[in-house]
Amino acid sequence: AQRVTQPEKLLSVFKGAPVELKCNYSYSGSPELFWYVQYSRQRLQLLLRHISRESIKGFTADLNKGETSFHLKKPFAQEEDSAMYYCALSGYTSGSRLTFGEGTQLTVNP
Amino acid sequence: NAGVMQNPRHLVRRRGQEARLRCSPMKGHSHVYWYRQLPEEGLKFMVYLQKENIIDESGMPKERFSAEFPKEGPSILRIQQVVRGDSAAYFCASSRPSGEGTDTQYFGPGTRLTVL
Repeated sequence: AQRVTQPEKLLSVFKGAPVELKCNYSYSGSPELFWYVQYSRQRLQLLLRHISRESIKGFTADLNKGETSFHLKKPFAQEEDSAMYYCALSGYTSGSRLTFGEGTQLTVNP
Repeated sequence: NAGVMQNPRHLVRRRGQEARLRCSPMKGHSHVYWYRQLPEEGLKFMVYLQKENIIDESGMPKERFSAEFPKEGPSILRIQQVVRGDSAAYFCASSRPSGEGTDTQYFGPGTRLTVL
């Protein structure tokens, strides 16, 4: 069975501090990993996916198959980064459906 | 492109009534997904449809729930004889086949169902 775990429901940092949102997964195969973000009163939107290897809004995430992790990182958090972040997984055996973690609410304080 | 549209945004039903949730995918998208988010939980996959076909319904409850995506018109998620446990946010997403890995899913704003 595939599973995504985000161990922190809440994360609070100060502006300018580094931030790391943790994501661990279990999947017997080669998964695709995603980070989605939901800003206040807005819809869920894709932030980045591991196969793109892009940096979006200063965020990066590296897939570590040994540790089965896909942590989201940003070196200097901004107040506008405050949002709900969801890690998600998709796999060959599951087709296009996404398995989501429970989400981490990030608050960046001034 | 207006994005994925869902209506209604809020729906209140009494126990035993029927709930119909609608989803209009983005222009050019032929794949639709439905997810449910119970309070304090993440989104859980329910069903994946293409036009006139159910591709994967492994996340749908066996009873009272059904989904369709007709040739014309929006996708409909139908819940018969609602119970309080059906109270949740229901999200629709759409995609178009890219041929490269998992298609990017674009989400609607959700329908918040409350069962009294």
